[in-house]
Amino acid sequence: EVQLVESGGGLVQPGRSLRLSCAAAGLTLNDYAIHWVRQAPGKGLEWVSGISWNSGSIGYADSVKGRFTISRDNAKNSVYLQMNSLRAEDTAFYYCAKGQGRWLQLTVTYFDTWGQGTLVIVSS
Amino acid sequence: QSVLTQPPSVSGAPGQRVTISCTGSSSNIGAGYDVQWYQQLPGTAPKLLIYDNNNRPSVVPDRFSGSKSGTSASLAITGLQAEDEAEYYCQSYDSSLSGFVIFGGGTKLTVL
Repeated sequence: EVQLVESGGGLVQPGRSLRLSCAAAGLTLNDYAIHWVRQAPGKGLEWVSGISWNSGSIGYADSVKGRFTISRDNAKNSVYLQMNSLRAEDTAFYYCAKGQGRWLQLTVTYFDTWGQGTLVIVSS
Repeated sequence: QSVLTQPPSVSGAPGQRVTISCTGSSSNIGAGYDVQWYQQLPGTAPKLLIYDNNNRPSVVPDRFSGSKSGTSASLAITGLQAEDEAEYYCQSYDSSLSGFVIFGGGTKLTVL
């Protein structure tokens, strides 16, 4: 069974940093673009960032640009989201999600496999 | 406020047919970008239901179908079942300045 597993969430103070990880089981992440999508408690979905299979193409939502950094280590079959200067409005469940191909083609992308999510709470 | 507009809620009795609309604009659905639909059961991650407007992953029952016309898209569910009670989201791409990957605000389906 194909699974994505996120980790690294938790309670953090405003202005601090946190790094999320996404690992795969039953799937080689290296072959796919991977994205982060978040969902504030009780709210809708928001695309955060995406990275192509070879890290050659990266995209960010305006709401996180300059604060968040996506990266991947194909040798470890993992994708990361480094979140700096966190704000209360970043509080959400963060899901990693697999794109349908290798390239970061945002115009045609969709998410066919999702992790279970990790909760980030930004609060003092 | 989401760029893609969905009704907050819809409902139907078991066995009935319901539709969920997703209304966009000339910078997203109306520009020809494809629409996807996701189902999110309570307390779980979203699941891909429809991709490229009207295609179903093999694991999704054919009771679910999608369509697109002009600046809108729709998800239809026939033979409604209790297990279909969930939140449904549409997703597309927007070419405006605030664009990239966009989602609708979600629609809560209640099976009466």
